[in-house]
Amino acid sequence: GEDVEQSLFLSVREGDSSVINCTYTDSSSTYLYWYKQEPGAGLQLLTYIFSNMDMKQDQRLTVLLNKKDKHLSLRIADTQTGDSAIYFCAETNQAGTALIFGKGTTLSVSS
Amino acid sequence: DTAVSQTPKYLVTQMGNDKSIKCEQNLGHDTMYWYKQDSKKFLKIMFSYNNKELIINETVPNRFSPKSPDKAHLNLHINSLELGDSAVYFCASSQDKGSYGYTFGSGTRLTVV
Repeated sequence: GEDVEQSLFLSVREGDSSVINCTYTDSSSTYLYWYKQEPGAGLQLLTYIFSNMDMKQDQRLTVLLNKKDKHLSLRIADTQTGDSAIYFCAETNQAGTALIFGKGTTLSVSS
Repeated sequence: DTAVSQTPKYLVTQMGNDKSIKCEQNLGHDTMYWYKQDSKKFLKIMFSYNNKELIINETVPNRFSPKSPDKAHLNLHINSLELGDSAVYFCASSQDKGSYGYTFGSGTRLTVV
């Protein structure tokens, strides 16, 4: 079945860049997603990338996709304390009926 | 206006009780979902519901039953609650198969005592 893997924790200093990595198994997923969850809140769609793209940039966020290695990364430039949250990578299941999420990476930003 | 709203936000109940969580979306989406987030923050799909077609995740106990009175609502009814049902339940919606992502509600924290 589909599986999405992420490292569980990342700690950075304010102003540094953060890179969160993800590997996935289902190469048929047309889109891949990054969601952010702040404490006590729901999931907020941060960005997504079409599977035939290598890179997508959106302000401080850069998504890199290596389809051959099934590797997705999210880079946050100039990380701020407000970026502290859990970041989930997600792909669509083979049937296209649901998003499958990784276990989430908790990003901790210290000032 | 909240796009996907869930009620209640918090629910504390005793083992063995039956409870419902309600979800409504005002985005005009045609597909709705229930996800369960456990204490380790792992998210798992429970159900998706598209235009009266219910897709069931086979790992979900049959004590859980989704009910959709119309396209904008998807409720979750849970019978005979168990301690292991304690979690945060998220409702979400999407248009078609959600190519552009899902919109999530803010969650219902269920605590079974």
